[in-house]
Amino acid sequence: DTGVSQDPRHKITKRGQNVTFRCDPISEHNRLYWYRQTLGQGPEFLTYFQNEAQLEKSRLLSDRFSAERPKGSFSTLEIQRTEQGDSAMYLCASSPASPAYEQYFGPGTRLTVT
Amino acid sequence: QKEVEQNSGPLSVPEGAIASLNCTYSDRGSQSFFWYRQYSGKSPELIMSIYSNGDKEDGRFTAQLNKASQYVSLLIRDSQPSDSATYLCAVGDSSYKLIFGSGTRLLVRP
Repeated sequence: DTGVSQDPRHKITKRGQNVTFRCDPISEHNRLYWYRQTLGQGPEFLTYFQNEAQLEKSRLLSDRFSAERPKGSFSTLEIQRTEQGDSAMYLCASSPASPAYEQYFGPGTRLTVT
Repeated sequence: QKEVEQNSGPLSVPEGAIASLNCTYSDRGSQSFFWYRQYSGKSPELIMSIYSNGDKEDGRFTAQLNKASQYVSLLIRDSQPSDSATYLCAVGDSSYKLIFGSGTRLLVRP
C-alpha cells in the first residue's frame, strides 16, 4: 500500500501530557498537510510543508502545537500540555507538485484527552 | 474569512435515484474545487476535482461549477446504499490549503 500512513491510529492521554503523531506521505508527494476534524465538522487546516519547509500555520494553532518534517519525508505533530479541547481526529494529507491542490488523506489519528 | 457552506442534511434518496449535493463558497477568487466522501469513522476520500465552469463527469459522479454564482454541486446517478456517507465540499485557497464545508450526510434507502 503506497497511500498516506499515520501512527498511532488511536491515542488516549491524560490532560497535561504531551503527545506526538507521525505521518508518512505518499513517497513522490512533496507537500504535506495537517488538519484537525471534530464531530460534525469538516477538516480544519493546521499547517503545511513543502518539502522540509513549513510554509503556513493556522492562527488556530496555539504555541502548544509544533510540527516538523525533517528531510522532507515523514512529519510529526506534537501537542504539549494537552487539554480536553484537543480531542479530535488529526488528519494528515499529501499532494504532488502538480496538481498541488489534490490532497490525499491518511487514516487519521483519533486523540482522546481525559 | 473564507467560508464554504453546505446543508448538513441528511439528504435521503431511494436506491437508483439521483442525489444532488450543493455547496456555496465565499471567496470569488477561488480556482479549485473538490468533493470528498467520508464514511463514518474513516478519513476523507477524494472523489472529484473541478477547476473550470461547467460539468465534469466520472462514472456515476458529475461535478458542476458555476463561478459567477459561487456554487459547486455533485450529482450521484443510480445511487446505491454504499454511497451513504458524508460528502465534504472543499475549496483551494491561494496557499494550497483546502477550506472545507461541514459536509452533507447522504442516506440511500434500499
